[in-house]
Amino acid sequence: GESVGLHLPTLSVQEGDNSIINCAYSNSASDYFIWYKQESGKGPQFIIDIRSNMDKRQGQRVTVLLNKTVKHLSLQIAATQPGDSAVYFCAEGGGSYIPTFGRGTSLIVHP
Amino acid sequence: NAGVTQTPKFQVLKTGQSMTLQCAQDMNHEYMSWYRQDPGMGLRLIHYSVGAGITDQGEVPNGYNVSRSTTEDFPLRLLSAAPSQTSVYFCASSPRLATSTDTQYFGPGTRLTVL
Repeated sequence: GESVGLHLPTLSVQEGDNSIINCAYSNSASDYFIWYKQESGKGPQFIIDIRSNMDKRQGQRVTVLLNKTVKHLSLQIAATQPGDSAVYFCAEGGGSYIPTFGRGTSLIVHP
Repeated sequence: NAGVTQTPKFQVLKTGQSMTLQCAQDMNHEYMSWYRQDPGMGLRLIHYSVGAGITDQGEVPNGYNVSRSTTEDFPLRLLSAAPSQTSVYFCASSPRLATSTDTQYFGPGTRLTVL
């Protein structure tokens, strides 16, 4: 979920562990959901997306799970590496409305 | 392809000054947008465009103007800068805004400080 205030939710993991980053979305009519990765000083970069008619989608080392009943989205990163350290955003979109972004979660990977 | 480019990378303004943030894309994308990112906040949409000659307001449009005279360019203008506009600004583009999962491609950002 998203926290109130200026500090991003932070997830700290050890290198090699699996990471799970969560996101709660608000619009039950959203057609698709996207995860972005933002490294320090750079713009967001697409990781993976999922349509609303799917529950799960897998990419390279990443899996996105969608639970429409509770409007929850998660990003799982397998065998987390130091290069995975970044802020991760979920976004929801579809139809005629503009994608909206969550506040983000900061992932810190310790070697 | 260069993708989405933004200039300048850094800018310091005094309150009341005006300036234009430049954004260009060479992917022939129809949809372009401007976001601002503040500490602890997600990306908030300022303005967007679904094609040349068409613009619309996003979540936080006040204090900003845009125009889209060509497919490639989507400049963001601050008419009278205020300290509250200190932020990092990102431009993005995508092939279209529809029910597909066309992802947005983001530029590297412009870090703006208003004193």
